[in-house]
Amino acid sequence: SQQGEEDPQALSIQEGENATMNCSYKTSINNLQWYRQNSGRGLVHLILIRSNEREKHSGRLRVTLDTSKKSSSLLITASRAADTASYFCATEFNSGYSTLTFGKGTMLLVSP
Amino acid sequence: DGGITQSPKYLFRKEGQNVTLSCEQNLNHDAMYWYRQDPGQGLRLIYYSQIVNDFQKGDIAEGYSVSREKKESFPLTVTSAQKNPTAFYLCASSMGNRGPHFGDGTRLSIL
Repeated sequence: SQQGEEDPQALSIQEGENATMNCSYKTSINNLQWYRQNSGRGLVHLILIRSNEREKHSGRLRVTLDTSKKSSSLLITASRAADTASYFCATEFNSGYSTLTFGKGTMLLVSP
Repeated sequence: DGGITQSPKYLFRKEGQNVTLSCEQNLNHDAMYWYRQDPGQGLRLIYYSQIVNDFQKGDIAEGYSVSREKKESFPLTVTSAQKNPTAFYLCASSMGNRGPHFGDGTRLSIL
């Protein structure tokens, strides 16, 4: 089934550095969303980018979408220890959120 | 405060038992979802409901059942037919084209 695949699987950086995570998918989409999950908790919606958009910003987050390469990236600038979490991309390829398909996630560790 | 409440946080089941996971939302959202998450994996859709008294199977519905008698509630029953029920279960709700809100999950383990 269609699924976003995040890369890398795990990322370890120091506070203040930037973190970049990538997501690739297989078929045409309506939109792509990024979520954050702290250990043992639910997912928190970070940002949604539509198929006709190329870049979106939200605070320290920057998301790009390249539909020709079927890929997206999430950049977290000036990372903090509190950014430590798993990050998931989810693709919607039909109308309605019942068709959100999640990748396996990137585990980000930010050390003080 | 508006949100989604899942209970219990931890649940233990004996082999052959059915168990029901609770999910309640006070966000007035029409749609509700149940996902399963296994270690190191993404979320897989079990069931979803767009309106009261209606629900559809997701990708891995076998061994699970749901009901949607009230807008606020979407309980998930893990039946004895589910052979590998140990997982983290997440409930979510959404309205329109906005991203879903998630509960904090229920971790189910087999004794």
